[in-house]
Amino acid sequence: NAGVTQTPKFQVLKTGQSMTLQCAQDMNHEYMSWYRQDPGMGLRLIHYSVGAGITDQGEVPNGYNVSRSTTEDFPLRLLSAAPSQTSVYFCASRETRGGYEQYFGPGTRLTVT
Amino acid sequence: GQNIDQPTEMTATEGAIVQINCTYQTSGFNGLFWYQQHAGEAPTFLSYNVLDGLEEKGRFSSFLSRSKGYSYLLLKELQMKDSASYLCVPEGGRRALTFGSGTRLQVQP
Repeated sequence: NAGVTQTPKFQVLKTGQSMTLQCAQDMNHEYMSWYRQDPGMGLRLIHYSVGAGITDQGEVPNGYNVSRSTTEDFPLRLLSAAPSQTSVYFCASRETRGGYEQYFGPGTRLTVT
Repeated sequence: GQNIDQPTEMTATEGAIVQINCTYQTSGFNGLFWYQQHAGEAPTFLSYNVLDGLEEKGRFSSFLSRSKGYSYLLLKELQMKDSASYLCVPEGGRRALTFGSGTRLQVQP
């Protein structure tokens, strides 16, 4: 199993540009989520999904869109990048049943200039 | 809602024992995770407690008291590689795990 994969690993955007961060998992997990982590700070939940076709907002959803058309993929779209979105983005997946650990992808380091 | 309280930073000496405390409040509590995160890396799973008591896993142990809303992570025989952030993560009914900033542990020679 590859686990949770994310692409790209690094990205530089100009203010106003849009882009999609890709996330895929091969563990057949229903639950997937996106977090951002600013330097020296904790992870903050952006959006999450409990299954294909179902998404919900987390703590900091503004400026981001998600969709879940398949169990495996959960892309995160930045609509119009702003410098405040400079961060490391982690995708994660887990079983929806309680008590199962959450697996994280390696992260995407995004800089918006 | 959810509230997690852990010390921001701790320092300990190589070979020593350190205990990282966590108090929490969360609705619909199921259990509690501890994760480790090295700088620049993704968090990795350490332990999960659902029942009261101590769970031991090698050099790491985790304790839970549901009635007190309290947990701790005990690290024995500290090694330099244990320098990392340790995240106390209560699992509430919503299934979306909320991570705080955690406790940054610095192990010194």
